[in-house]
Order: sequence, then C-alpha cells, then structure tokens
Amino acid sequence: GNSVTQMEGPVTLSEEAFLTINCTYTATGYPSLFWYVQYPGEGLQLLLKATKADDKGSNKGFEATYRKETTSFHLEKGSVQVSDSAVYFCALSDDSGYSTLTFGKGTMLLVSP
Amino acid sequence: DSGVTQTPKHLITATGQRVTLRCSPRSGDLSVYWYQQSLDQGLQFLIQYYNGEERAKGNILERFSAQQFPDLHSELNLSSLELGDSALYFCASSLGRQGRDEQYFGPGTRLTVT
Repeated sequence: GNSVTQMEGPVTLSEEAFLTINCTYTATGYPSLFWYVQYPGEGLQLLLKATKADDKGSNKGFEATYRKETTSFHLEKGSVQVSDSAVYFCALSDDSGYSTLTFGKGTMLLVSP
Repeated sequence: DSGVTQTPKHLITATGQRVTLRCSPRSGDLSVYWYQQSLDQGLQFLIQYYNGEERAKGNILERFSAQQFPDLHSELNLSSLELGDSALYFCASSLGRQGRDEQYFGPGTRLTVT
C-alpha cells in the first residue's frame, strides 16, 4: 500500500535559518505529492503540490521538488520566520482516481526569534 | 478560511454513546472526505463521498458510518464510543470525483470520550 515517511520533529530553528524537512514515499504508479501545514488549533492548509516527476511546487517561500528516482519530496525554505512555526505534513494521492490522501506523521517546526 | 465548515468544534461525551459530526463543503465541491487525527495513528483517511454516493473507504470502523445529503453536506456518525475514539475529526472537500483534486480542510471537530 501507499505510505509516506517524514523526519521526526520537533525541528527547532532560529529565525532566518534554512529549513529542510525530509519526506519519502512509497506508491505504485505516479502519485501527486503535497505539503500541508497545520497551525495551532487550526485545520490543514495546502502549502504546495507537485503532480509529476521533476515538478517544483512553491508557495510563501517554501519549495519542494518531486524526485521520482529517490521517491522524495523534501520541503525547503531559505529563511524561516517565527510565524512559520507549525506542523508540516507530507501527503500523497495515488493515481487510482479517488484522490484520497495518505499522510506522513507530521513534523513540528519551532522557530525562535 | 477554506470555506469548509464543521460543527461542533468540540464534543465531550461518555463511552458507549453515539455522536454526529457535521460538515458543509466549499460551494461547488461535490466530494467530501473524512479523516481522523490522533496522537498514535496520525492522520488517517476514513471515507469519501461524491455527490451523495460512497466512493472510497479507508480505515473506518464498523461502528462509524457516514452519509452525504442532497444539499451535499455530510455527517459522520460514531456509535458505541470508546476512549480510543478520542481524536480530531476533519472533513475536507474537493471539486470532483476523480483525478488529483486539491482537498480543502475544515477546522475539525475535537471529540473527547470520557
């Protein structure tokens, strides 16, 4: 079956530091890949997505590239802010046609001033 | 604001009871998904409906059921509740039936079973 593996947190960074959160996946076919963000007390928000190999998703300074050869979709940001503190979820939707999401366990990011 | 609404925001009930969670999708979305988020299991897909019909089933217990009504709102019914059912329950919606639609999540219902 499908699965997503994320690095365990929390990831603790100082403001303006570089961020990488690793994500690898297992799926048959050609899944779509997503990063969702969950701020404290809120629901999940779609951060970015990529639907085919070598696509780069980007939003709000965050980027992730769909690497089929390494089955990875690592999230990066060049300079984090305190307001980026949240839990980040990597997810995939396989090509079965039903669009259901398989999530990783989430990585908490804590950014200090 | 995603446009997906869920009620109630919080629910506290006792073991053995039955509760109903409600979700209204974004305007124009035909698909509704239910997910459970718990500390030990993470985020798990429960069930999907498209335009009133069940489309996909995930790790949904037999004690749980759902439906989508003609006005496209959905309800998740949880019965014979156990302590382990305490979790955040999210509803999400998307445009269509197939493909890689983006899903938009509601704020969730936090269920506490005592």
